[in-house]
Amino acid sequence: QITLKESGPTLVKPAQSLTLTCTFSGLSLDTSGESLAWIRQPPGKALEWLALIYWDDDKRFSPSLESRLSVNKDPSRNQVFLTLSNVDPEDTATYFCAHHPDGQAFDFWGLGTMVTVSS
Amino acid sequence: EMFLTQSPATLSVSPGERATLSCRASRNIYTNLAWYQQRPGQPPRLLIYDASVRAPGISDRFSGSGSETEFTLIIDSLHSEDVAIYFCQQYDEWFFGPGTKVELK
Repeated sequence: QITLKESGPTLVKPAQSLTLTCTFSGLSLDTSGESLAWIRQPPGKALEWLALIYWDDDKRFSPSLESRLSVNKDPSRNQVFLTLSNVDPEDTATYFCAHHPDGQAFDFWGLGTMVTVSS
Repeated sequence: EMFLTQSPATLSVSPGERATLSCRASRNIYTNLAWYQQRPGQPPRLLIYDASVRAPGISDRFSGSGSETEFTLIIDSLHSEDVAIYFCQQYDEWFFGPGTKVELK
């Protein structure tokens, strides 16, 4: 069974950087075809895909946020990291990580972590 | 840029009745489409992938169909636990639709 858990700060000031961690079990990011995704959801709004990182360290980003996003992994610790720079109150959202196997749909999700951007 | 639209925005259905949700893609995405259910306060849950394949453990009251640009999710015999927002997603570029909120009439 795959499990994922997001963690990070709950409050970030505008213009700062936000780094979130996804800690997972039941999969290996060293295995061909595996990848993890980051998705966010502002309160009361729709889901927004942010980024993907593959087993071979290939990465994909949402075009609208690409200049502010980075994603990295540490397979030895079963962790993936998302950094969003220069945050703004519009970045206030619940941030999810999800398992993305072999180019398919996102089959397992974490519970999400709520981040508020405010001074 | 590719995008998805969903209709209706809100759907009110009586218990036991059928709910029909639509998702339209701005270009041909073949059958690279998934449906997710998000109950209040919970993360999304995968219902359907490849447009029509139920994910493991999903009730057969949920069925998906369609291809290219037009897709449908049907929920048969609506139950109270089906009250949720339903999102479609294309996994060529991973974008989501805006969602359809299903409520009980």
